[in-house]
Amino acid sequence: EPEVTQTPSHQVTQMGQEVILRCVPISNHLYFYWYRQILGQKVEFLVSFYNNEISEKSEIFDDQFSVERPDGSNFTLKIRSTKLEDSAMYFCAGLVLAGANSYEQYFGPGTRLTVT
Amino acid sequence: QKEVEQNSGPLSVPEGAIASLNCTYSDRGSQSFFWYRQYSGKSPELIMFIYSNGDKEDGRFTAQLNKASQYVSLLIRDSQPSDSATYLCAVKRADSWGKLQFGAGTQVVVTP
Repeated sequence: EPEVTQTPSHQVTQMGQEVILRCVPISNHLYFYWYRQILGQKVEFLVSFYNNEISEKSEIFDDQFSVERPDGSNFTLKIRSTKLEDSAMYFCAGLVLAGANSYEQYFGPGTRLTVT
Repeated sequence: QKEVEQNSGPLSVPEGAIASLNCTYSDRGSQSFFWYRQYSGKSPELIMFIYSNGDKEDGRFTAQLNKASQYVSLLIRDSQPSDSATYLCAVKRADSWGKLQFGAGTQVVVTP
């Protein structure tokens, strides 16, 4: 399984602070994604990123969120001013071409964000 | 609002038996369907995907897709205690490059 790594594994921050979550997809990932999962709830899509541009985003991904790939390897999610409701697991995922018409998404281990 | 629905469970299955999980979806633009396994506190792990009507087998897992009825299912044969987890159904639209819409998951408990 193509491994995606994420740092930190757990981030605690105060409401109103900025946080940056980091992901390192492997080199043959075509697209990159951020998802979140609030405790006990569904995994929710936030944004997809391709060729240094956002290709798709959800209603959750408002102006408080941004993504970038600053150095061609790390893929980051920034939350500018965190709210209590931003507390969740944040997963990075990468898309791999696995064969004809076969695209598979592999998830990183996640960052648990706790906003106090 | 396009929905992906799963029974939340828990689905209790004796060791060695077959676990049968169902998923229905409302978006007729859905093209590809994925089953992920998620252990508590961990990230989703891809089990398998299917995009054509019919059955697809991979080891002890079989996915079944019926686009006319808008359901996809997962069978786990010879269930093991290590299969105890939450199984997530996810769908992708044809016009999307990978945005997955997830169901809430079905918790499976395999009892020795």
